[in-house]
Amino acid sequence: EDQVTQSPEALRLQEGESSSLNCSYTVSGLRGLFWYRQDPGKGPEFLFTLYSAGEEKEKERLKATLTKKESFLHITAPKPEDSATYLCAVEETSGSRLTFGEGTQLTVNP
Amino acid sequence: DTGVSQDPRHKITKRGQNVTFRCDPISEHNRLYWYRQTLGQGPEFLTYFQNEAQLEKSRLLSDRFSAERPKGSFSTLEIQRTEQGDSAMYLCASSPVYGGNEKLFFGSGTQLSVL
Repeated sequence: EDQVTQSPEALRLQEGESSSLNCSYTVSGLRGLFWYRQDPGKGPEFLFTLYSAGEEKEKERLKATLTKKESFLHITAPKPEDSATYLCAVEETSGSRLTFGEGTQLTVNP
Repeated sequence: DTGVSQDPRHKITKRGQNVTFRCDPISEHNRLYWYRQTLGQGPEFLTYFQNEAQLEKSRLLSDRFSAERPKGSFSTLEIQRTEQGDSAMYLCASSPVYGGNEKLFFGSGTQLSVL
């Protein structure tokens, strides 16, 4: 059974203080690893998909990386508007459903 | 608004009552998914449709849950004889067949509270 574990559960940063979120996964065959952002009262919003170990993708202050067992979401010089819950999910080669982790709640203080 | 639309946004019901939620996907999206999310957890897959065919159901989906997508457009999710454990956010998402989960868009969800 697919398993996705995210750490830390919550992270509080000062504006400009860079950090990383971790996503560890166990899946029989990985088709893709996804990162989503979720704001309170909203559905998840797609950020990145990574398909193979060594792949990296960037968007503004966010950079996602992938190894064979985990993914990192690096946040460089965060701003208060980056405050949200960040969700990691995996998709198996055999299906189209996503298995999500529990998320990391990020708070960036001004 | 061309996003995924869910109705109602909030539903409060008493234990034992039946409830029905509606999802209108993005136009021309063939795939439609239902997920459930409880506080502090990530979304859990419930079921998915390709056009009008229900292709996969989670083992989490008890007999009290039924989903339909009669004409391959909007979908409904019905919960019969609701229980307090059914309290959650029910999320609908849609995607085109080509592009898969990279083009998966979620609605804002229906928040269900069972008293």
